[in-house]
Amino acid sequence: GEDVEQSLFLSVREGDSSVINCTYTDSSSTYLYWYKQEPGAGLQLLTYIFSNMDMKQDQRLTVLLNKKDKHLSLRIADTQTGDSAIYFCAETSSNTGKLIFGQGTTLQVKP
Amino acid sequence: EAQVTQNPRYLITVTGKKLTVTCSQNMNHEYMSWYRQDPGLGLRQIYYSMNVEVTDKGDVPEGYKVSRKEKRNFPLILESPSPNQTSLYFCASSLRAQLNTEAFFGQGTRLTVV
Repeated sequence: GEDVEQSLFLSVREGDSSVINCTYTDSSSTYLYWYKQEPGAGLQLLTYIFSNMDMKQDQRLTVLLNKKDKHLSLRIADTQTGDSAIYFCAETSSNTGKLIFGQGTTLQVKP
Repeated sequence: EAQVTQNPRYLITVTGKKLTVTCSQNMNHEYMSWYRQDPGLGLRQIYYSMNVEVTDKGDVPEGYKVSRKEKRNFPLILESPSPNQTSLYFCASSLRAQLNTEAFFGQGTRLTVV
């Protein structure tokens, strides 16, 4: 069935790079997403990648997709305290539009 | 401003007392859905709607109802809330089901059932 897995917690120092990893099972997914959730706020779409791409870069964010291993990662360069949040990986079920989310990775950035 | 608006933001209620969480979008989106977020489980879809008068169950529909009488509104109804429905709820919308790259989420409704 459909499943998305993430590690639950990551702690980094300000200025370091953060890498959040995700694995998924549905090989038919057309898009894979990264969402950010700040405390008390809704979900913000950070970036997404189409399944026929290997990499997408957007300013400090780099998304890598290994379709063979069904592995997705989000790298945040020069991590800032404002990047502290929960990050969700998600894939889409194209038939119903359902977003299938991972458990969320809490990123803690220490000054 | 394009947005999805949920109300209320916070709600504490007692077991068995019917409640409705409203969701409204101003973007003329066809597709709307409800998710619940629980620690360690991420977000799971409760119900979705492809268009007016078209609704269907998501992964965790038990104990919930929805309706889609108008395009802009997609209320979530708990006829007889129970403590296991204590959760953070999100409404989302997109132009079509296949366009999640442009999905908008509401700010969330934190529900506590005692």
